Amino acid sequence: DIQMTQSPSSLSASVGDRVTITCRASQSIDKYLNWYQQKAGKAPKLLIYAASSLQSGVPSRFSGSGSGTDFTLTISSLQPEDFATYHCQQSFSIPGTFGQGTKVEIK
Amino acid sequence: QLQLQESGPGLVKPSETLSLTCAVSGGSISNTNYYWDWIRQPPGKGLEWIGSVYYSGSTYYNPSLKSRVTISVDTSKNQFSLKLSSVTAADTAVYYCARRFPYGSGSYSPYYFDYWGQGTLVTVSS
Repeated sequence: DIQMTQSPSSLSASVGDRVTITCRASQSIDKYLNWYQQKAGKAPKLLIYAASSLQSGVPSRFSGSGSGTDFTLTISSLQPEDFATYHCQQSFSIPGTFGQGTKVEIK
Repeated sequence: QLQLQESGPGLVKPSETLSLTCAVSGGSISNTNYYWDWIRQPPGKGLEWIGSVYYSGSTYYNPSLKSRVTISVDTSKNQFSLKLSSVTAADTAVYYCARRFPYGSGSYSPYYFDYWGQGTLVTVSS
């Protein structure tokens, strides 16, 4: 299985901050990387697919980049509703695997 | 608007079989563009893909769970189901059903999960 490692595991930030989360794959996954946002007690919500494509309805402050083994999710200006846990997921091979999650908390 | 809703027992005894159903509304499970998946999340941990089913009945399972998992589809009821046998406490998790959209082409396509159920907590305990 391809291992997905996110960093950091958690971070504290203020409203308006620029936030970057990193996801590293244990082998190349081309650009087949998705990002999800999960709020407490809720199901994950798709934000970004194919590393950099914004899902319909997702605010443009969210962006993704990367290819191969290293990927980033950036929130350009953190909003109160963005405090959540973020998960990366590779769809390059079966089984699709997720990172352990990055919790974004209020500073 | 597509909606998915999981249902099933919230408590299962060790060694027994966990059974869940996902009812799909607002769209047809027979749509040839999508697959239907189960994903779980142990308390405080990350997400784990369990398996997938196509409307035709074709299935794909996580190799780590394959010997214990059965996923089936009932197009007449617009729902699909998960059975996980010989459960232990390690199977305690929130179980989600989700729609998979393969956006590429070819025998294997990259994909994403665009619709999810709300999740249901299943606890394995005697």
